[in-house]
Amino acid sequence: KQEVTQIPAALSVPEGENLVLNCSFTDSAIYNLQWFRQDPGKGLTSLLLIQSSQREQTSGRLNASLDKSSGRSTLYIAASQPGDSATYLCAVRGGSYIPTFGRGTSLIVHP
Amino acid sequence: GAGVSQTPSNKVTEKGKYVELRCDPISGHTALYWYRQSLGQGPEFLIYFQGTGAADDSGLPNDRFFAVRPEGSVSTLKIQRTERGDSAVYLCASSPTRQTEQFFGPGTRLTVL
Repeated sequence: KQEVTQIPAALSVPEGENLVLNCSFTDSAIYNLQWFRQDPGKGLTSLLLIQSSQREQTSGRLNASLDKSSGRSTLYIAASQPGDSATYLCAVRGGSYIPTFGRGTSLIVHP
Repeated sequence: GAGVSQTPSNKVTEKGKYVELRCDPISGHTALYWYRQSLGQGPEFLIYFQGTGAADDSGLPNDRFFAVRPEGSVSTLKIQRTERGDSAVYLCASSPTRQTEQFFGPGTRLTVL
């Protein structure tokens, strides 16, 4: 059974810092991995989707990498802003196409 | 275009009652997923539809939970004899196919008193 772990569980940083959020998974036979952001009381917003054949994806200040063999993905946020404050979730999709989610990293960026 | 919508946004009910939660996916998306999210946890998979049929319902916790998608678009999650432990946010997501990016609705917060 796939297990997804996100470290750290919570992070508080001053504005402007570059951040790395980690996602690890136990079964490397994945189809793709998707990063989401969730604001309090809201649904999930898709940030980046990485297919198993890809190494990384970039969107604006966000960069996600995937190392399937070691069961790891990182989400890099450059020049963090207070508006980046949210919970960040990763979801791993295996052969069954059913995503398994981590518990998320709660990020606070203070001015 | 319009995103995934869910109604109601909030539902308060009494233990033992029946509830229905509705999901309107993005038009043309064949795959539809239901999840349940408790505080401080990631979404937990419940059921997945490919078109009109439930392709995988292995996440439904027991036979009090049931979902339908009769015309391959709108889906309804039905919970019978609700229990206090059913209280959670119920999320719906759709994607063009089962392999592609998922788009989530805002969720329905269910509270069972």
